[in-house]
Amino acid sequence: DSGVTQTPKHLITATGQRVTLRCSPRSGDLSVYWYQQSLDQGLQFLIQYYNGEERAKGNILERFSAQQFPDLHSELNLSSLELGDSALYFCASSVGSGRVNEQFFGPGTRLTVL
Amino acid sequence: AQSVAQPEDQVNVAEGNPLTVKCTYSVSGNPYLFWYVQYPNRGLQFLLKYITGDNLVKGSYGFEAEFNKSQTSFHLKKPSALVSDSALYFCAVRPLGNRDDKIIFGKGTRLHILP
Repeated sequence: DSGVTQTPKHLITATGQRVTLRCSPRSGDLSVYWYQQSLDQGLQFLIQYYNGEERAKGNILERFSAQQFPDLHSELNLSSLELGDSALYFCASSVGSGRVNEQFFGPGTRLTVL
Repeated sequence: AQSVAQPEDQVNVAEGNPLTVKCTYSVSGNPYLFWYVQYPNRGLQFLLKYITGDNLVKGSYGFEAEFNKSQTSFHLKKPSALVSDSALYFCAVRPLGNRDDKIIFGKGTRLHILP
């Protein structure tokens, strides 16, 4: 158990809908990262927050947004969902802002868009 | 463009034999290098990292990796494979001087240890 929790574990929704994925980092970790894992694209970095502020941005679509709250938990919002958004979404956390710090991954949220 | 390559989609090794999972990178400057493992239906787990110092890095579960600057490689190794090592392995690179701190993951190598 990495200490990172993600909810929900599974999510099934329809095209055009909006969903929110939630992540609680390990105790004491200030950075939260979001990743998308799909069979064709592999593991894609989406975005990082550090102590409430956006730190780095990866291949995140404009339909997606995220935030980190004062208690350091984070939410990833996915809107106008498309079939291609079906994937496993991981959250990870690390102690610092990151270059030397390993990341601890949550168990993921499996999103299925029908 | 900065990238990480794991040239083998799958590696098969007999139990008890040594294993190697390859990783090469193309980044500007000196990177920080990581290996992660993903077991079925689980998130990634950190195995080891190279930041500086000794080129041979030891990590969890008996794994080690060798940083080779001239060949821009960071291959993962284990002297004697176990069936329980069967999983998906990811190499990751964090380039130094990368202003926006992005980490780049390879596509993953599936390791099968045959009993």
